[in-house]
Amino acid sequence: DVKVTQSSRYLVKRTGEKVFLECVQDMDHENMFWYRQDPGLGLRLIYFSYDVKMKEKGDIPEGYSVSREKKERFSLILESASTNQTSMYLCASSPGLSSEKLFFGSGTQLSVL
Amino acid sequence: ELKVEQNPLFLSMQEGKNYTIYCNYSTTSDRLYWYRQDPGKSLESLFVLLSNGAVKQEGRLMASLDTKARLSTLHITAAVHDLSATYFCAVSTSGTYKYIFGTGTRLKVLA
Repeated sequence: DVKVTQSSRYLVKRTGEKVFLECVQDMDHENMFWYRQDPGLGLRLIYFSYDVKMKEKGDIPEGYSVSREKKERFSLILESASTNQTSMYLCASSPGLSSEKLFFGSGTQLSVL
Repeated sequence: ELKVEQNPLFLSMQEGKNYTIYCNYSTTSDRLYWYRQDPGKSLESLFVLLSNGAVKQEGRLMASLDTKARLSTLHITAAVHDLSATYFCAVSTSGTYKYIFGTGTRLKVLA
């Protein structure tokens, strides 16, 4: 069974902390994505990666960075967490360039106090 | 800018009734996706529609795509409580990495 695994289901952090959200996929997919989901706003793309060490900004990259050192792992980093980054974070992956459907992880609900 | 609009945003319906969720998108796209999200859970793929006139069915759900009208519909037949969830549509263009999601339709089926 294919899997996208996010390391934490719930996280509580303080303002100003550096936060790491980890995502691992076991499907050998080239593409990996980080979205945030907020009520009434749907899913918004933060960053995506189409290859190891390659990354591109999505629609709302401010305050975030990413790292992809290995094909299966894509990390989202909040350099200095702020309360407006309280959200559900969803990692997803897809194969190749063919714009296939996305496979999602179970999500990380982050609260920044 | 590619935008995706869904309506209605909220839908409360009785078991056994039929209803349709609409997904409009603003510019040319050749792939349309429907996802389901249960409360507190992640998104699960339901359908991928690749061409004009495409229709796919799974159980009580049927999705269709009209690329000329830039419209997809998700039709629910004889709703049951288990269909209660939030449904998202999303679009992308072949060869790109970008998927644009609608805001979701929260469906509640009442017994």
